[in-house]
Amino acid sequence: AQKVTQAQTEISVVEKEDVTLDCVYETRDTTYYLFWYKQPPSGELVFLIRRNSFDEQNEISGRYSWNFQKSTSSFNFTITASQVVDSAVYFCALSEARKGFQKLVFGTGTRLLVSP
Amino acid sequence: ETGVTQTPRHLVMGMTNKKSLKCEQHLGHNAMYWYKQSAKKPLELMFVYNFKEQTENNSVPSRFSPECPNSSHLFLHLHTLQPEDSALYLCASSQESGSGRPNEQFFGPGTRLTVL
Repeated sequence: AQKVTQAQTEISVVEKEDVTLDCVYETRDTTYYLFWYKQPPSGELVFLIRRNSFDEQNEISGRYSWNFQKSTSSFNFTITASQVVDSAVYFCALSEARKGFQKLVFGTGTRLLVSP
Repeated sequence: ETGVTQTPRHLVMGMTNKKSLKCEQHLGHNAMYWYKQSAKKPLELMFVYNFKEQTENNSVPSRFSPECPNSSHLFLHLHTLQPEDSALYLCASSQESGSGRPNEQFFGPGTRLTVL
């Protein structure tokens, strides 16, 4: 069965600090996809990134970066120079490769609090 | 309107009531999803519709009844709910191809349901 573990329930940092959110996954599939979503206080989840299991290149997008390591089944997310607007709950998710729809398995989320 | 909208945003109901949650997507997507988000638990996929056909029912109790009259609208009919059904119910949509590669899901803001 697929499983996503986000061991950090809540992280508090001060603005401008760097912070890393951990994600560890379990799957027996050889083809799978990993996602990160952000859930601000308004409620709707916002897509941040998708990574497939054959692409282990790290990715950087502005202050965000992702470190995918198949050897440790991890897909960690780092925010550099955090800002108050980064305060949200962040979810890591795993999807099988399916035709027609996707079945996302989410972690329990990590609440990030960035204080001024 | 753009994106995914959900109504109502908040709902309080007794255990004997019947109510419906509505979701509408303005993105032209072909797949729609209902999720349940409870405190301290991962988001749980409840139902998936692809091209108006239900393709996934994730062992959801029959007191939850989905309806997808067209590819833009999704309903969740509720009857004789239990207090443990109190949660945030999120709707999402995505445009899926036959390739098996999942695309990002776009989420609505959710309906906060309280069952008394």
